[in-house]
Amino acid sequence: QQPVQSPQAVILREGEDAVINCSSSKALYSVHWYRQKHGEAPVFLMILLKGGEQKGHEKISASFNEKKQQSSLYLTASQLSYSGTYFCGTEISNDYKLSFGAGTTVTVRA
Amino acid sequence: DTGVSQDPRHKITKRGQNVTFRCDPISEHNRLYWYRQTLGQGPEFLTYFQNEAQLEKSRLLSDRFSAERPKGSFSTLEIQRTEQGDSAMYLCASSFSTDGTEAFFGQGTRLTVV
Repeated sequence: QQPVQSPQAVILREGEDAVINCSSSKALYSVHWYRQKHGEAPVFLMILLKGGEQKGHEKISASFNEKKQQSSLYLTASQLSYSGTYFCGTEISNDYKLSFGAGTTVTVRA
Repeated sequence: DTGVSQDPRHKITKRGQNVTFRCDPISEHNRLYWYRQTLGQGPEFLTYFQNEAQLEKSRLLSDRFSAERPKGSFSTLEIQRTEQGDSAMYLCASSFSTDGTEAFFGQGTRLTVV
């Protein structure tokens, strides 16, 4: 039931782009993306709902392919502040219970 | 309101002791969740409340774990007879109970069982 994230880690230089993928074996109701910095709480980035509605961060975009049960998070023109571990959380039914992937560690270097 | 707060931030306990953690959610939120996170992994769902009702418990939650949310406000998570495998970060989150709403996480309580 836990979604699978890829890649496990990525290293970027400032200004470069990256894509983080999240896939599930179950039909999804929604996908939630969070970023967590070391020793801190996960911070909400984006929700993608079945049916196409999105809500979230203005500088980070994401997509949700309902047929493939996959979501991708796009980091564009990365900044140093984008460093952290990104988690996707998937919701199978409308019960707000999330199953999280193992995370993708992003390191942005100057 | 400054967000979800958890207390204590760190707890070191001897194996076999009982521990209790507290979570104060964002005041308007009627849903409250507990998750557990171990090093290098994403948060794992433990249980959640809508107001004061505990609606679901994960199979991960053994009988040694109990959670309460009296009056639908703050919540406590108690672990009895702690084991070394209980060492983890315990995260609390809260949200509204409407479609498309995000959950806000607290800073967590890091438990170390020695």
